[in-house]
Amino acid sequence: GAGVSQSPSNKVTEKGKDVELRCDPISGHTALYWYRQSLGQGLEFLIYFQGNSAPDKSGLPSDRFSAERTGGSVSTLTIQRTQQEDSAVYLCASSPGGTRSYNEQFFGPGTRLTVL
Amino acid sequence: SQQGEEDPQALSIQEGENATMNCSYKTSINNLQWYRQNSGRGLVHLILIRSNEREKHSGRLRVTLDTSKKSSSLLITASRAADTASYFCATAPFSGGYNKLIFGAGTRLAVHP
Repeated sequence: GAGVSQSPSNKVTEKGKDVELRCDPISGHTALYWYRQSLGQGLEFLIYFQGNSAPDKSGLPSDRFSAERTGGSVSTLTIQRTQQEDSAVYLCASSPGGTRSYNEQFFGPGTRLTVL
Repeated sequence: SQQGEEDPQALSIQEGENATMNCSYKTSINNLQWYRQNSGRGLVHLILIRSNEREKHSGRLRVTLDTSKKSSSLLITASRAADTASYFCATAPFSGGYNKLIFGAGTRLAVHP
């Protein structure tokens, strides 16, 4: 079946603009994760969804970052008033999930965000 | 913040040789996973080893876990040019039933024909 897909693959924006990044997880996967990979910080956890709720948002860097998930499927990560330090590759991953399950995660190809 | 420390940071070998990468971590974990990344984009899951396991094999890959030393190693045997990539270890702390992965800085492996 299809893997995790993300769109756009590349996004160039100007400082101060808002951006939306989309993730389509593997069908049936209830757990969804967002990570960010940047040169200075490596790979960082941002947020975890179980179904449509986000019990762990501890990695979101500031209140300019938000994410939602609808229908237990697609997730959108929104960055408001982008700053140059937001430039990074944003990776989405999904997992069969369920509570009390620690499973492997399947990653999408990422969205490379460049803030000018 | 990163939990894992990996060494070496970079490794260059010839095809057919074995490659060993090491990972150390700081806190108790539920499991540890190894991922491969090509060209700075998507991560490919290689192996998951749980805290009650000591060794796991998958094809040419062998992973060991020593929870007393808080360390793991990934061995790739008979390497191929196609193994050239960055390899990351990721730990999953006990966190209520989900894998909040904490990644190491990675090892860049170059396999020369």
